[in-house]
Amino acid sequence: GAVVSQHPSWVICKSGTSVKIECRSLDFQATTMFWYRQFPKQSLMLMATSNEGSKATYEQGVEKDKFLINHASLTLSTLTVTSAHPEDSSFYICSASTSSQGDYGYTFGSGTRLTVV
Amino acid sequence: GESVGLHLPTLSVQEGDNSIINCAYSNSASDYFIWYKQESGKGPQFIIDIRSNMDKRQGQRVTVLLNKTVKHLSLQIAATQPGDSAVYFCAETFSGGYNKLIFGAGTRLAVHP
Repeated sequence: GAVVSQHPSWVICKSGTSVKIECRSLDFQATTMFWYRQFPKQSLMLMATSNEGSKATYEQGVEKDKFLINHASLTLSTLTVTSAHPEDSSFYICSASTSSQGDYGYTFGSGTRLTVV
Repeated sequence: GESVGLHLPTLSVQEGDNSIINCAYSNSASDYFIWYKQESGKGPQFIIDIRSNMDKRQGQRVTVLLNKTVKHLSLQIAATQPGDSAVYFCAETFSGGYNKLIFGAGTRLAVHP
């Protein structure tokens, strides 16, 4: 079945530094990748949608200059949290989607726990 | 619909009982719905899906019901087991919106032996 590899699974960084999270589709080409953020005991909140080779579309209230998304190939998308602060500490999850003949499936990564100290 | 800062309600059941988890969605244009299970520290795991042209779909021990009139989804789990303990989310999407998947608030299922 479709597999999405996300890493790192956890990262601790100092306030003011940047962190990059990678999301790879291992055995399929992802037309679209989605990035979510999840705070403890809450739901997944969509941050942005990215299509290969084009700029990401950010959800309302998500700072595009803070959360940089690159989707340079059909198998790789990256999320960079720039100038991280403690309030950016969260669980970040990516999802890769394929779209074929009106059918679409979503495969999720295992998530990245970011702690900013 | 969009879930904004809601804390998860909990459904407690006895092992062997049937569980029913409910979800209200907000977008009447949504045409595809998915139920996910999420264990602590992990990504969502697909359980079952349903398209808007159906009102019921069955899988192994799980059934999803869709009521488009009141924009309501339910997930029924038969003979609930301790391994079913997790957080369950419904998610919705619609054709033409880059297929972005929007998650509902979620319900924590606690199965007691």
